[in-house]
Amino acid sequence: AQSVSQHNHHVILSEAASLELGCNYSYGGTVNLFWYVQYPGQHLQLLLKYFSGDPLVKGIKGFEAEFIKSKFSFNLRKPSVQWSDTAEYFCAVNDRGFGNEKLTFGTGTRLTIIP
Amino acid sequence: EAGVVQSPRYKIIEKKQPVAFWCNPISGHNTLYWYRQNLGQGPELLIRYENEEAVDDSQLPKDRFSAERLKGVDSTLKIQPAELGDSAVYLCASSFEAGEGQETQYFGPGTRLLVL
Repeated sequence: AQSVSQHNHHVILSEAASLELGCNYSYGGTVNLFWYVQYPGQHLQLLLKYFSGDPLVKGIKGFEAEFIKSKFSFNLRKPSVQWSDTAEYFCAVNDRGFGNEKLTFGTGTRLTIIP
Repeated sequence: EAGVVQSPRYKIIEKKQPVAFWCNPISGHNTLYWYRQNLGQGPELLIRYENEEAVDDSQLPKDRFSAERLKGVDSTLKIQPAELGDSAVYLCASSFEAGEGQETQYFGPGTRLLVL
């Protein structure tokens, strides 16, 4: 079964710092990859997604992620974070080609930005 | 465009009581999902519907959980009787396949259940 690892449970950064959140998955077949964000008191929102093509994906609010197939990774990056980026970030994967649209989520990374 | 709607947003019940959650997906989305999110964890799939058909309910605890999507639009998830361990956030999501296995799930605000 697919599993997703987010090694950083809680990350604390100052404003303007650069961000990289790790995400690794276990199954090596064809996958769709997602990052969702949950701001305090709000619902899960799609940040960006990868289906195919250019492995560097750009999302909303200046976020980007790079799919590295050989490393089973899909790390999230932002060059300069803002206080408003404080939220919980979830990486999710689904396995294509088996009629399985189930999303497997990581445990999430809580990001706290200090003004 | 309206997002996924869920109600209620919060529910507090005593153990052994029944509880039901309602979800209305994004218009035109034929696939609907129910997830459970425990504290400090990511969401975990309970059941997936394609139109009216439950195509994946392997993770649904069928002794106490049930779900329905009678007309292929809105859906209800029920727990009867509720146990203390059912305290969690119950999320509904919907999607529309854009072809070739490319689909994006959009989530509702969830129902936060507390069982006392």
